[in-house]
Amino acid sequence: DAGVTQSPTHLIKTRGQQVTLRCSPKSGHDTVSWYQQALGQGPQFIFQYYEEEERQRGNFPDRFSGHQFPNYSSELNVNALLLGDSALYLCASSLESYQETQYFGPGTRLLVL
Amino acid sequence: AQSVAQPEDQVNVAEGNPLTVKCTYSVSGNPYLFWYVQYPNRGLQFLLKYITGDNLVKGSYGFEAEFNKSQTSFHLKKPSALVSDSALYFCAVSAPAETGRRALTFGSGTRLQVQP
Repeated sequence: DAGVTQSPTHLIKTRGQQVTLRCSPKSGHDTVSWYQQALGQGPQFIFQYYEEEERQRGNFPDRFSGHQFPNYSSELNVNALLLGDSALYLCASSLESYQETQYFGPGTRLLVL
Repeated sequence: AQSVAQPEDQVNVAEGNPLTVKCTYSVSGNPYLFWYVQYPNRGLQFLLKYITGDNLVKGSYGFEAEFNKSQTSFHLKKPSALVSDSALYFCAVSAPAETGRRALTFGSGTRLQVQP
């Protein structure tokens, strides 16, 4: 049973560019959440998708957007990249219920130069 | 707003000794509490969670955590540490279901170093 997968593993971009990160949830999961983990910090919640809609959003600017597809996979898009967007981006999947555990993928390491 | 505090940046323990990694939380109502572990250049691995019921929760790899409502704490414990337990540990809280909020709020992490 495959766990949460993310692509690419590493990415280097320059300021002002746009980036798309991808996530495939654990088999059977229907909910996907995205987190940003800056170096030396805990993950910070970006947003969560369920039934192809953004259900909850954290304190991130509109430059961060996402999408969920009918097969439950998800994309995170970041426009007009800033140096401060350099981080590990983590995708987590779960079942819809509040009590369900979020399982994390290995992350995408984004470096903005 | 909910928050998590991990007061120790690093915990050092000798192999074979018991370990404790501390976590306190702040949230209105009855929280859902989680522990995750992160190895270098890896994502987060789930260890255990508290939803309701027994205050002592048992998880993966011999870890357990004790929920204390009066002290708003959820400390991670293991009776006998292994060198392979050396990693970064995160405590996280999710707001009660009635809030409609599902995001996990994480602490800043505690680095556990187990010496042989």
